[in-house]
Amino acid sequence: QVQLVQSGAEVKKPGASVKVSCKASGYTFTSYYMHWVRQAPGQGLEWMGIINPSGGSTSYAQKFQGRVTMTRDTSTSTVYMELSSLRSEDTAVYYCARDVRYYDSSGYSSFAFDIWGQGTMVTVSS
Amino acid sequence: SYELTQPPSVSVSPGQTARITCSGDALPKQYAYWYQQKPGQAPVLVIYKDSERPSGIPERFSGSSSGTTVTLTISGVQAEDEADYYCQSADSSGTYPEGVFGGGTKLTVL
Repeated sequence: QVQLVQSGAEVKKPGASVKVSCKASGYTFTSYYMHWVRQAPGQGLEWMGIINPSGGSTSYAQKFQGRVTMTRDTSTSTVYMELSSLRSEDTAVYYCARDVRYYDSSGYSSFAFDIWGQGTMVTVSS
Repeated sequence: SYELTQPPSVSVSPGQTARITCSGDALPKQYAYWYQQKPGQAPVLVIYKDSERPSGIPERFSGSSSGTTVTLTISGVQAEDEADYYCQSADSSGTYPEGVFGGGTKLTVL
């Protein structure tokens, strides 16, 4: 079945970096974009960015520009999200989510998230 | 930046109808999507393209759109529907669309 399996919980000190992985299975890895979404404790969902597993192109939310890097390894069907210069406000559950596209009558496309990973808790604490 | 506005909470008794709204200026031009999230779990897509229901989602979940507001309706609410619900769309004002979520609505089944 289609699933996304993420790496385990991480504890990091302020200023450090964290790299979270998301391994896809059950579908053609390069046929679907992948997003990263995070959720701070007790808070809502926040979109971080998107990667095209086929060519590796990326687009990041303005808020994370310069601090986030998304990469992929097609040989293992895995995408990665690295966040640097961590601060306490980055404490959150980080999710990967598969992209699904929909088109309106004029051909304009929008995206949603049809399959989600189980989430990875990242704690930033001194 | 573009924002989607949801009420923080909605409460209904079992068997009643729950309506959760989401407002945003670009919603007349953009599809909206709805997710259900239960404690400790990842979100689940329950409505796509404003009003379509993915396979496996119960028929009591429906969506509608009117102007700058989209609405998630849960008819005959059951205890298992108690969860947080998020609307989602996109901010297309930049070079590449950015995902945008509403702040979430906690549905309490009394």
